[in-house]
Amino acid sequence: KQEVTQIPAALSVPEGENLVLNCSFTDSAIYNLQWFRQDPGKGLTSLLLIQSSQREQTSGRLNASLDKSSGRSTLYIAASQPGDSATYLCALFIYNFNKFYFGSGTKLNVKP
Amino acid sequence: EAQVTQNPRYLITVTGKKLTVTCSQNMNHEYMSWYRQDPGLGLRQIYYSMNVEATDKGDVPEGYKVSRKEKRNFPLILESPSPNQTSLYFCASSAGLAGGTEQETQYFGPGTRLLVL
Repeated sequence: KQEVTQIPAALSVPEGENLVLNCSFTDSAIYNLQWFRQDPGKGLTSLLLIQSSQREQTSGRLNASLDKSSGRSTLYIAASQPGDSATYLCALFIYNFNKFYFGSGTKLNVKP
Repeated sequence: EAQVTQNPRYLITVTGKKLTVTCSQNMNHEYMSWYRQDPGLGLRQIYYSMNVEATDKGDVPEGYKVSRKEKRNFPLILESPSPNQTSLYFCASSAGLAGGTEQETQYFGPGTRLLVL
């Protein structure tokens, strides 16, 4: 069974800091990896999706990378802002099983 | 506006009383899925559907049923709810596979918070 781990579980940083969120997985036979943001009491908003053949994706201040051989993905947030405070989740799609597997998330707090 | 809708958003019920949570998407997506989110356990997939009349079990299907009679709708049915099904439920959809990053992106509904007494 695919295990997806996100470390740290919580992170508090001052505004303006660059930061990295980590996602590790046990099965390298992934089809794609997606990063989401979840605000308290709300649904999930897609941030970036990396296909298995890609190494990274960028959107604004966000950059996500994927290294299948080491079973790792990172989400880089540049110049963090208080509005970035949320829980960030990574999710893998495993083609052989047609299923998605989620990490437990990293709760980010950006202090003004 | 492209969206996934769920109803109801909040539901309190009693053990054994059958209920249905509806999910609808207006993006003509093929793949639809139900998840539950519990503290400390994260999001776990309950059921998924690759297309109309094609459904399959996720990781935690016990106690749930689904149907996919139309492409846009994917209701979640709890035939005899129990307190351990108290959770936050999400429906999601995506266009499908092998279509590029946009097509593979999952879109989530706002969630249904269920309390079973």
